[in-house]
Amino acid sequence: QSVLTQPPSVSGAPGQRVTISCTGSSSNIGAGYDVHWYQQLPGTAPKLLIYDNNRRPSGIPDRFSGSKSGTSASLAITGLQAEDEADYYCQSYDSSLSGYVVFGGGTKLTVL
Amino acid sequence: EVQLVQSGAEVKKPGESLRISCKGSGYSFTTYWIGWVRQMPGKGLEWMGIIYPGDSDTRYGPSFKGQVTISADKSISTAYLQWSSLKASDTAMYYCARAPYSSYGFDPWGQGTLVTVSS
Repeated sequence: QSVLTQPPSVSGAPGQRVTISCTGSSSNIGAGYDVHWYQQLPGTAPKLLIYDNNRRPSGIPDRFSGSKSGTSASLAITGLQAEDEADYYCQSYDSSLSGYVVFGGGTKLTVL
Repeated sequence: EVQLVQSGAEVKKPGESLRISCKGSGYSFTTYWIGWVRQMPGKGLEWMGIIYPGDSDTRYGPSFKGQVTISADKSISTAYLQWSSLKASDTAMYYCARAPYSSYGFDPWGQGTLVTVSS
């Protein structure tokens, strides 16, 4: 069981908007720690998609956006494209125990 | 360009030792944390640990403490992940990644090192 909870799968048709949720607790997202999102295309290493809750690295299209509220965060993808089909992971920091990095379990996005 | 290049795939037998590497370039290696992440076949990402090459301060994830050793040689801008006695359950892809952001957000990632442990 991952510390951050994501839906196992989401889907959408080309051009549509999808959102992926990431639910944490008072020791991670709710404690104010930033959330980051990664995209992992099949057979490749993860790539940073969103950092510090809602900031996009250079080269990431503005179709991708992030938000955070309370103990949860969300990734939104608008204008869905076939090449967006991938696994998406959220990540933050948890202050319980001695403190550690936590990932969500991942969400498989299928473009119909 | 900031880049992390990992060592090649390994095939080992149970009980053998192994050290894989991650060489950084294009930035000041000593001033950013480097993390290691495991991805077992068909599974998600698991944080193993992180090291600050400047002073070798190292933290381990709860599931990996005592199971692996993370180290770094700042003179050659290289971080390492080491096992003293591999198990079949260590079969996985291992990624290193630089952590320039708060909450140890990772960017970029290395290309990954596939470790296969089989008798």
